[in-house]
Amino acid sequence: DTGVSQDPRHKITKRGQNVTFRCDPISEHNRLYWYRQTLGQGPEFLTYFQNEAQLEKSRLLSDRFSAERPKGSFSTLEIQRTEQGDSAMYLCASSLRGQYNEQFFGPGTRLTVL
Amino acid sequence: GESVGLHLPTLSVQEGDNSIINCAYSNSASDYFIWYKQESGKGPQFIIDIRSNMDKRQGQRVTVLLNKTVKHLSLQIAATQPGDSAVYFCAENIRSSGSARQLTFGSGTQLTVLP
Repeated sequence: DTGVSQDPRHKITKRGQNVTFRCDPISEHNRLYWYRQTLGQGPEFLTYFQNEAQLEKSRLLSDRFSAERPKGSFSTLEIQRTEQGDSAMYLCASSLRGQYNEQFFGPGTRLTVL
Repeated sequence: GESVGLHLPTLSVQEGDNSIINCAYSNSASDYFIWYKQESGKGPQFIIDIRSNMDKRQGQRVTVLLNKTVKHLSLQIAATQPGDSAVYFCAENIRSSGSARQLTFGSGTQLTVLP
């Protein structure tokens, strides 16, 4: 399977714990995006990388959130001191350079904060 | 603030009929409008896009119509099949405050295809 993969698919954690998610984009895609999606809503943009550079961050991305893409390939999204409001599906997408409209999404990581 | 939204949260159609999913937008500065499909347990999947200077664009069994006068976007699916059952999102491509572009998604319409 050469699509976007995310790990883990599900994560249950207690409030106050730190969690880290991984995204492996399609190999030739240099753009990588993170979104958050809650039930019944469309994905909300969080942040975007072009190669290893983080070029854009949403105001939704509080100081507790950090994302990295150290070698321009896979990316990690870390949430520190999780809160119940962080419970959501975290989606990763990738696209080719210059292609913003057609983004290829992974299956997402569903986070539940107890 | 400016947003992308949908008229109806759910739509049920008979298999073989045509489906029309509507979307209203308020940001006149959007360069592209895009439709995505999301099946249960999966990430969204690109269907089709339309540039803001176009009125109509056709794909395989799908047609997107853009009415800039009333800021309305629609997705027409011909001969709807059971595999079309999913949530459909419209999205707009807008240049953010920096140089990057980002997609802003609406809240989705659940399409159910009845046998």
